[in-house]
Parts: sequence; C-alpha cells; structure tokens
Amino acid sequence: SQQGEEDPQALSIQEGENATMNCSYKTSINNLQWYRQNSGRGLVHLILIRSNEREKHSGRLRVTLDTSKKSSSLLITASRAADTASYFCATKGTALIFGKGTTLSVSS
Amino acid sequence: DVKVTQSSRYLVKRTGEKVFLECVQDMDHENMFWYRQDPGLGLRLIYFSYDVKMKEKGDIPEGYSVSREKKERFSLILESASTNQTSMYLCASSGQGALSGANVLTFGAGSRLTVL
Repeated sequence: SQQGEEDPQALSIQEGENATMNCSYKTSINNLQWYRQNSGRGLVHLILIRSNEREKHSGRLRVTLDTSKKSSSLLITASRAADTASYFCATKGTALIFGKGTTLSVSS
Repeated sequence: DVKVTQSSRYLVKRTGEKVFLECVQDMDHENMFWYRQDPGLGLRLIYFSYDVKMKEKGDIPEGYSVSREKKERFSLILESASTNQTSMYLCASSGQGALSGANVLTFGAGSRLTVL
C-alpha cells in the first residue's frame, strides 16, 4: 500500500549545489512529512507541511506541496557532505506510510 | 538524550529460533510502531499499537506478533525466524491522538537482524 513515491531514486551532487527531491502520492492527505535517514540508522523527522500550506521553510530546507498534482518537493540549498543520506516522504494511511526514498550523495 | 531505544543493534539468529526485538520510549507516547526496511522496498509497517494491550496489524504482519504490556515498551516477536525475515527493523513512537495525520514519528536506531 505504497502511498508516496520519491523521485529520483538516487541523486549525486557537489557540495554547494542545491538538491531537489520529489514525492508523488495517490490519495488526498491532511499533511505530508519528510524524513532523513543516515546510513544504517533510524529516520529523523525534518519537516511537516499541511494540506492548506503551499510552501514551508526550515533552515536550508524548503518544502512545497501541490495538492492538485498530489506532489511535494524537498529542496536542500547549499548542500554539504553531511547532507548525504536517504530522504523519505510520508503520508498517513493506517499509520504513516513511507515512500522508498531518494538517496542523496554530496561529494566535497 | 535517547528517546526511543531498541535493545539490539545487530542480531544473528538461526532459522526456527524465537526472536524478541524490544523497543522502549521515554516520551510517554501513546502510539508505537514496528517497521521493517529492505532495499528497494522501503519501509513497511508490520504492527502498531495506540494504547497499552492494543495492537493493530500493518501491511505485513505475517510471521510476526507484538506485545505491549506497558506504555513505554513495544516488543516485536518472531515466533519461528525464517531467512526471509532478515532485515532492518525500525521501532517508532508518536504522541498525538490515535493515529492522527499530524503524528510525527520518533525512531529508534534500528535493529539489523540476520537469520541464517
């Protein structure tokens, strides 16, 4: 019962560049969340955007939500090597349902 | 500062063994969850609990059971481990009302189980 799907599956950039990840989902939502996972570790919550919001910022993160297209994007500006991780979008199903993630690699 | 603690980071078990994965949270959260994560499949929900002694099946409950005798502890049990249960297991908790859409999950560090 995959609800969100991230795109691309993998992304490689240089330090200082911006990274954009997209999430598409299938059914209507109340909100959408983004999480980050460092290799071999648990997930960490990054940001939540509600269905009546179009854009939200948190530090170097910018999230947009387009409910008409059932899609969201996560932009990380001025990427650092420490941003290397997998990023997941999540929406509510029976419980939170996660996509398969985008693996971001930032090289110095 | 650790809020969700999974008892074992790495386990190696043999086929047919009974396996217990323990998860404890210190945030007084009502909701607790067990996911498994496999390459190419993402996170899949096994079981969740929104109250003590309550449990609900997730997407892939077959081969698993859970126990929640105390609010802070949620255990995942593999009654007879099989090789296809080799995976990363992630426990999480959240504190808002019963499975409300605004639940933000706090995850443990994960337990990597290998079944030989």
